Amino acid sequence: SQTIHQWPATLVQPVGSPLSLECTVEGTSNPNLYWYRQAAGRGLQLLFYSVGIGQISSEVPQNLSASRPQDRQFILSSKKLLLSDSGFYLCAWGAGHHGYTFGSGTRLTVV
Amino acid sequence: KQEVTQIPAALSVPEGENLVLNCSFTDSAIYNLQWFRQDPGKGLTSLLLIQSSQREQTSGRLNASLDKSSGRSTLYIAASQPGDSATYLCAVWERGNDMRFGAGTRLTVKP
Repeated sequence: SQTIHQWPATLVQPVGSPLSLECTVEGTSNPNLYWYRQAAGRGLQLLFYSVGIGQISSEVPQNLSASRPQDRQFILSSKKLLLSDSGFYLCAWGAGHHGYTFGSGTRLTVV
Repeated sequence: KQEVTQIPAALSVPEGENLVLNCSFTDSAIYNLQWFRQDPGKGLTSLLLIQSSQREQTSGRLNASLDKSSGRSTLYIAASQPGDSATYLCAVWERGNDMRFGAGTRLTVKP
């Protein structure tokens, strides 16, 4: 069966520090992968999606970036965090007609 | 651009009540609709996935319906329990695009 792993679960980082969040998928190949952000009391905002290795599409201009170095690995990064980057980050993989499966999320607090 | 709306934003009911959560979408050309549950500080758990050719899906005390022509879906929860307290999100998928999410309905079931 397919599983998705996301880490860390929580993270507190100072303003201006770098960020690296990792997501890996097991049990499937060539998945569509997604990074979402959920701000407090708000809906999910799509940040990036990837349909294959090295293929990244950005939905929202910001100081975040994403990379897909391997088929089942998706990384969210920042060189310098802003206070506004605080939020709940969710990784997901989608298989079209099979719907989306989400990771457990990372709570990022920028201080 | 697809917009997904969920009404009500919050709902509080006594234990044992049957309840209905509503989801509407502006573009009926969807391929599927998915209902999720999110507990505080957690990721999204898939509840039901309805393909565009289907009218409803059932899982235990949950029943989701889909009316593409009117752009509506409902999630029916029978005999609600305190453990059902969570935020419920609906999302629609259009081929070639990502899933679009509603802002969710926060459900509280009082013992």
